[in-house]
Amino acid sequence: EAGVAQSPRYKIIEKRQSVAFWCNPISGHATLYWYQQILGQGPKLLIQFQNNGVVDDSQLPKDRFSAERLKGVDSTLKIQPAKLEDSAVYLCASSRDANTEAFFGQGTRLTVV
Amino acid sequence: DQQVKQNSPSLSVQEGRISILNCDYTNSMFDYFLWYKKYPAEGPTFLISISSIKDKNEDGRFTVFLNKSAKHLSLHIVPSQPGDSAVYFCAARSYNQGGKLIFGQGTELSVKP
Repeated sequence: EAGVAQSPRYKIIEKRQSVAFWCNPISGHATLYWYQQILGQGPKLLIQFQNNGVVDDSQLPKDRFSAERLKGVDSTLKIQPAKLEDSAVYLCASSRDANTEAFFGQGTRLTVV
Repeated sequence: DQQVKQNSPSLSVQEGRISILNCDYTNSMFDYFLWYKKYPAEGPTFLISISSIKDKNEDGRFTVFLNKSAKHLSLHIVPSQPGDSAVYFCAARSYNQGGKLIFGQGTELSVKP
């Protein structure tokens, strides 16, 4: 079974630029999550999708972050404009449903300079 | 408000001995707890979980203990192996918040040969 795929693996941008991350979850997984992991901290949920609907986006900075999950499969997370404090690893995860274990991708390491 | 805390940022253990990683939580609504393991440049990998109706769950060398009255859980690894060296994250979720995981800060385990 293929795992959660994310791209790119690494990205360096200047502040105020925009960036987008892509995630392809495990086939058949209805629930998809985007987490932000700042160095030295645990992952923090940004947004959770159930199929193509948003379940929880309470911690998503909506003035600059946006995410979508078209057709309930792939998802993209966008930051526009980026700030220095957005430097982190962005992890995508998926699970069969909200009550089963989540499987994580390798993450995208974003550096904002 | 840190609802899940791992107060030891690092732990060093000799190969063959027991590793004990600790986790404390504050939210009494949490009903499911998980441990994830993370190697550098990889996403977290699910290791073991426990429901709040149990006080112990075992899987090979890994055992998780839950003390609900103390709001404390621990992960025991016996015997520890050099390949266990990684960052371990404790995570928790509550039934009324879907699959949203709240992570601790992580403990870096180093198992020395």
